[in-house]
Amino acid sequence: EDQVTQSPEALRLQEGESSSLNCSYTVSGLRGLFWYRQDPGKGPEFLFTLYSAGEEKEKERLKATLTKKESFLHITAPKPEDSATYLCAVEVNFNKFYFGSGTKLNVKP
Amino acid sequence: NAGVTQTPKFRVLKTGQSMTLLCAQDMNHEYMYWYRQDPGMGLRLIHYSVGEGTTAKGEVPDGYNVSRLKKQNFLLGLESAAPSQTSVYFCASSSGTENTGELFFGEGSRLTVL
Repeated sequence: EDQVTQSPEALRLQEGESSSLNCSYTVSGLRGLFWYRQDPGKGPEFLFTLYSAGEEKEKERLKATLTKKESFLHITAPKPEDSATYLCAVEVNFNKFYFGSGTKLNVKP
Repeated sequence: NAGVTQTPKFRVLKTGQSMTLLCAQDMNHEYMYWYRQDPGMGLRLIHYSVGEGTTAKGEVPDGYNVSRLKKQNFLLGLESAAPSQTSVYFCASSSGTENTGELFFGEGSRLTVL
């Protein structure tokens, strides 16, 4: 059975305190792994796509990496505006996506 | 640029009532999706469509029906609402082009079934 698990469920950081979020997956035939950001009361917003093990993508303070079994979203020197829920999703059939339950990040000033 | 628009944003139903959620996208996307989001369970796919006139079941299709009569619209119907259908519903679309995969989401429709 295809599964996507994110950890931790919630993470509290002080401003400037770097950390990583984890997304582990057990799927047959991974086509791509995606990271989204979701603010309260809003729909998810696309951040990154990763297609193969070893691939990395960066955007401002965020960097996503991919191995054969998991992906990490590294947050370097976070700011309060980085507070949000971060969702991981995998594409296992063409244009069919399965989501993890998310990590709720709170960055305190 | 509207992107993906969902109506209504909020609705309260009584058990057994019916309703339809409307999703409209202005990006000429082929693929459209309906997800529900519940605390601790992430986004779960209800139904999806790979083009005008087509629909397919996702992970949790029971109790829902969908229609895609026009390319830009994807409707989600509840024929007889149940309290278990209390959730936040998200519509999404994608171009369907290989190796893009990005989903564009609406802002959600919060449904409460009493």
